[in-house]
Amino acid sequence: DQQVKQNSPSLSVQEGRISILNCDYTNSMFDYFLWYKKYPAEGPTFLISISSIKDKNEDGRFTVFLNKSAKHLSLHIVPSQPGDSAVYFCAATGVSSGGYQKVTFGTGTKLQVIP
Amino acid sequence: IAGITQAPTSQILAAGRRMTLRCTQDMRHNAMYWYRQDLGLGLRLIHYSNTAGTTGKGEVPDGYSVSRANTDDFPLTLASAVPSQTSVYFCASSEVGGYNEQFFGPGTRLTVL
Repeated sequence: DQQVKQNSPSLSVQEGRISILNCDYTNSMFDYFLWYKKYPAEGPTFLISISSIKDKNEDGRFTVFLNKSAKHLSLHIVPSQPGDSAVYFCAATGVSSGGYQKVTFGTGTKLQVIP
Repeated sequence: IAGITQAPTSQILAAGRRMTLRCTQDMRHNAMYWYRQDLGLGLRLIHYSNTAGTTGKGEVPDGYSVSRANTDDFPLTLASAVPSQTSVYFCASSEVGGYNEQFFGPGTRLTVL
């Protein structure tokens, strides 16, 4: 049961345009959401996050939107740059029954920004 | 050392052999994690540790064991490797409590034949 879903495995965008990466989740107990970026042969790195009590968080060119009623979040990158080409993982978190910070990752979306 | 290091970078292993993947962090994070990344499945948690001396099972713990003798090191052991354990393995660490970002190592690519 995939609780965090990224239904688009890949996305191509022209440089300078907006990139929109989508993520859906099923567990209403998730209360914090993160986006990680991963380049080939490297580990994921944290990009931006949002608490479930907010609907938007912005950091430079990156904005994450959260729609709790739809259990949907999206990452907007404006303007897109070739260096943004990477795999983006959506993640949702909450405290597990075992007391650890349980993070559930999506399957990733590969973004290609075309110069 | 800066951040998290993993060793080896890659390994080809015969089925049935024992293998330990090493992970070391220098950020003094109490929490550490092991994930595997498989195509189409994202990152799945194998084991975690909230502090030295304690460990716990994640989503896919079968066939793996971990230990946490000190804050910095969190080795992952495959006692008898099987081909389904072919994957890329990532170690991560974070502050405990709240919803803190995890810092990932560069990964170990393991192939079990």
